Amino acid sequence: AQTVTQSQPEMSVQEAETVTLSCTYDTSENNYYLFWYKQPPSRQMILVIRQEAYKQQNATENRFSVNFQKAAKSFSLKISDSQLGDTAMYFCAFMIFPGAQKLVFGQGTRLTINP
Amino acid sequence: DTGVSQDPRHKITKRGQNVTFRCDPISEHNRLYWYRQTLGQGPEFLTYFQNEAQLEKSRLLSDRFSAERPKGSFSTLEIQRTEQGDSAMYLCASSPHSSGNTIYFGEGSWLTVV
Repeated sequence: AQTVTQSQPEMSVQEAETVTLSCTYDTSENNYYLFWYKQPPSRQMILVIRQEAYKQQNATENRFSVNFQKAAKSFSLKISDSQLGDTAMYFCAFMIFPGAQKLVFGQGTRLTINP
Repeated sequence: DTGVSQDPRHKITKRGQNVTFRCDPISEHNRLYWYRQTLGQGPEFLTYFQNEAQLEKSRLLSDRFSAERPKGSFSTLEIQRTEQGDSAMYLCASSPHSSGNTIYFGEGSWLTVV
């Protein structure tokens, strides 16, 4: 079975702080992508960052970076200098390739940035 | 590029009625997906189209559910004889053909079965 586990249902930090969201996954496949998606209260899922499993270098996108530990099957998201607009549900997901490109999601972490 | 569009955004229906949701993907995206999301959970894959062909269906998609994508453009998801357990957000997403491309989601269609 392919699963994604996000062990932190909720997190809350002050604006400008750094926060790390945890994610572990389980798959026997070797070729896959990992993603973090953000779902603000308006409900549209938006891609935050993606990581190709065959790349050792951790992906970064401005204030967002990941810590990808392939052997441990861990994929955490770090948000630096957090902003009020970062308040949202964050979902970790992976996609095996080649194939249907269907995403397997975790349960999500509700992140609140406080002013 | 107007993004993935879904209609209606909200639907309240009585148990036993049929409902249909429509999804318009981003133009030139030949892959289209339907997911279901219940409160407090991540989205779960339902089905996937490449152009007009439905290539994969989840076991979650019971025989009361049917999805179509005529002509490989918009898609419809129909739920027949709705049950209270069908209450959820139904998300549509699309992506270009190449493997590993980003999947873009619509805002979803909320279904409440009373």
